[in-house]
Amino acid sequence: KAGVTQTPRYLIKTRGQQVTLSCSPISGHRSVSWYQQTPGQGLQFLFEYFSETQRNKGNFPGRFSGRQFSNSRSEMNVSTLELGDSALYLCASSAGTDYNEQFFGPGTRLTVL
Amino acid sequence: AQKITQTQPGMFVQEKEAVTLDCTYDTSDPSYGLFWYKQPSSGEMIFLIYQGSYDQQNATEGRYSLNFQKARKSANLVISASQLGDSAMYFCAMREVNSGYSTLTFGKGTMLLVSP
Repeated sequence: KAGVTQTPRYLIKTRGQQVTLSCSPISGHRSVSWYQQTPGQGLQFLFEYFSETQRNKGNFPGRFSGRQFSNSRSEMNVSTLELGDSALYLCASSAGTDYNEQFFGPGTRLTVL
Repeated sequence: AQKITQTQPGMFVQEKEAVTLDCTYDTSDPSYGLFWYKQPSSGEMIFLIYQGSYDQQNATEGRYSLNFQKARKSANLVISASQLGDSAMYFCAMREVNSGYSTLTFGKGTMLLVSP
């Protein structure tokens, strides 16, 4: 079974630009969660999608948004990038019903200059 | 209050020795799950072990075991016979089942260094 894939793996943007990150969950998994990891704040929850619906959202500004497609692939978008958005963005996949499964992708490392 | 607390920023251990990484948690949800992940320098979060709040026995997965003390709200990870490849960041995380979500709350992590 293929694992969670994230693209791109690395990204460099400048302030004010926008960026879209993609996550493909494990086949059969319907829940995708996104996390931001920075040295200062650690791992912080962004949002969770289940069957194309956002069912939980963390405490991030509206510049951070996401969506999920019918094949469970998810994208997150960050508009008007700020220097502080530089981080490792991780997505996690789960079946949504079995709470003992949460598998992560390799992450997208975003650098904002 | 922090939901997950990892008090050890860094730990050193010699190869082949056992090491315990501490984790305490705080929740009012009677049904929850506790996870441990390993994050090498590459960045990927690798799932190690899971313990459910109603599990009667401590979880074990190969060299990893979870010392679950429910009354103390602690879920320490024990790595037996450390290997050089165990050098990484280790995160404890919790999912509160009655939230209905898959959201994980993470601790700050413990950096483990294994020396030859």
